[in-house]
This record gives sequence, structure tokens and C-alpha cells, in this order.
Amino acid sequence: DAGVTQSPTHLIKTRGQQVTLRCSPKSGHDTVSWYQQALGQGPQFIFQYYEEEERQRGNFPDRFSGHQFPNYSSELNVNALLLGDSALYLCASSRPSGGTDTQYFGPGTRLTVL
Amino acid sequence: KQEVTQIPAALSVPEGENLVLNCSFTDSAIYNLQWFRQDPGKGLTSLLLIQSSQREQTSGRLNASLDKSSGRSTLYIAASQPGDSATYLCAVRLTGGGNKLTFGTGTQLKVEL
Repeated sequence: DAGVTQSPTHLIKTRGQQVTLRCSPKSGHDTVSWYQQALGQGPQFIFQYYEEEERQRGNFPDRFSGHQFPNYSSELNVNALLLGDSALYLCASSRPSGGTDTQYFGPGTRLTVL
Repeated sequence: KQEVTQIPAALSVPEGENLVLNCSFTDSAIYNLQWFRQDPGKGLTSLLLIQSSQREQTSGRLNASLDKSSGRSTLYIAASQPGDSATYLCAVRLTGGGNKLTFGTGTQLKVEL
């Protein structure tokens, strides 16, 4: 059983560019959350998707947007990249409706903005 | 606003020592609390999840406790090993807060030979 997978592993972009990160949830999970982790900090919640809709959002600007597909996989899009967007982006999946409260995290995508 | 604090920020111990990591949170209306391990540059591995109705959870050499009234959780690691070296993060999910986790900044643990 594959766990949560994310692609790409690493990404380097320049300021002003746009980026798309991808996540496939653990088998049987239908809820995907995205987190941003700056160096030396704990992860910060960006938003969560369930049934292809954004259900909850953290304190991030609307440059950050996402999507969930019918197969439950998800994308995180960041527009007009800033230097401060450099971070590890983590995807987590769960199935709260099925009683699976534990959130399982992927390995992350390391984004560097130059 | 829920704030989660972890003390100490860093800890270095000799192999075989028992140790305690601390996590405190400001809003006691939690749904559950989860402890994670993170190796450098890697994702998070879930260690233990404690529901708000529980007092503790155990897995192998790990034991996590929860005291909602005081806003505290501890992670106890018995007989530490060099392979336990990692950053340990606690995360709180609030009641009525959806599935959002609020994380502490972590405790960086080094277990020396």
C-alpha cells in the first residue's frame, strides 16, 4: 500500500513565476491538506480539500490555490512567487468520515525561490 | 487562536537515557493531539495520536500523555537510541476546527553514542 506521494521532490523557481505541486493521498483516504514548513519552523496549514472543494483555509493569500480531482489527488498552485515562499510543502491525507483521524504526511516538495 | 509551544527546542542525551519532550497548548478545546517525527529534510511520520477523551497512548518505547485541563502533553521515550535522533513535533486539532492541525516548532533530539 503506497503512502502519500508528492511530486516533484525539489523545485527551483524565480520570483514572479508560478508553480504547481502534486499530491496523491494514501489509498482509501479522501481528504487532503497542504502545509508550508519554513526552515526551523513547524508546518503551517494552507488549506484542505474534500469532495473536490476547499473546506478550510489557513492564513495564506489567494496567490495560493488548489484543486482536488475525482480520484482524490490534489494540486497546490502558487502564483507570483516571492522569496518568502521558499519552504518545504507537505501534503497530508486522512479519512475523517471513515474514522481515520490520523493524518499521514508525504515526503514533501522542497521549493526554492531565487 | 491556538498556540502550541514545545520545550526544549533542542536536546542532546547519551544513548540509553529516558527522556521527556513537552508540548503545551493554549486552547483546551482540542479534538486530538498527534506526535510526529521528522528526519532532516523529510516529511512527517506519525508516532502517536491521543483523542481528547484519552489520557495516554503507548507504542513500543514511546508513551504520550495528555492533560487537557493544564494544556499539556508529554512524549516519553524510553532507553533512547541514536536512531531516535530527529525533530519531534506535536500538533493539535481543535474541536469544531475541521481537520486543521496546529503545530509546535518542534524539539530537535540528538542521541549520542
